[in-house]
Amino acid sequence: GAVVSQHPSWVICKSGTSVKIECRSLDFQATTMFWYRQFPKQSLMLMATSNEGSKATYEQGVEKDKFLINHASLTLSTLTVTSAHPEDSSFYICSTRLPSSYNEQFFGPGTRLTVL
Amino acid sequence: LAKTTQPISMDSYEGQEVNITCSHNNIATNDYITWYQQFPSQGPRFIIQGYKTKVTNEVASLFIPADRKSSTLSLPRVSLSDTAVYYCLVADTGRRALTFGSGTRLQVQP
Repeated sequence: GAVVSQHPSWVICKSGTSVKIECRSLDFQATTMFWYRQFPKQSLMLMATSNEGSKATYEQGVEKDKFLINHASLTLSTLTVTSAHPEDSSFYICSTRLPSSYNEQFFGPGTRLTVL
Repeated sequence: LAKTTQPISMDSYEGQEVNITCSHNNIATNDYITWYQQFPSQGPRFIIQGYKTKVTNEVASLFIPADRKSSTLSLPRVSLSDTAVYYCLVADTGRRALTFGSGTRLQVQP
């Protein structure tokens, strides 16, 4: 399988500031990574698909200018929450998959964002 | 995408076998059935995947009837550490992203 890490594991910020979350594929080169958001007691919601070397594909209703995704290398994708507000407080999780694995995705440990 | 329906929650005791059933009446020919486990404040973890009949690994078994309109995840002899949310997903192998349903919250008690 693939090992995926995220940094930071938790972050607290003031309203109006920007926060960057890193997602790293530690043991293989990931051309595609996925970003999910999960509110308390709710399921995971796909936010966007991050493609190495090209623009991310955002799901309907997700503001691309607010959630900036950069996938500059085959092992790193970043999600920047710009001008964060309390309603952006959530659990952000990234994932990737091996090209040969059918629907088996490998998830990072998640990042808990709290906006004050 | 095939919609999935599973119980919101289940309770069990240590040592019991737990069966979680998922309905997916609109499953398509190319769809696979995949189950994930998620502990609080962690990312989901792949448990098992199947297309038809029965699949077994070191963690669980997956039973899929011939019509594939439902599937049952079977966890043998659960322990307290199996307390988690279990998600049933249905998707074809060509789809790159996963769509998670509401999941089943399993609570295992001593």
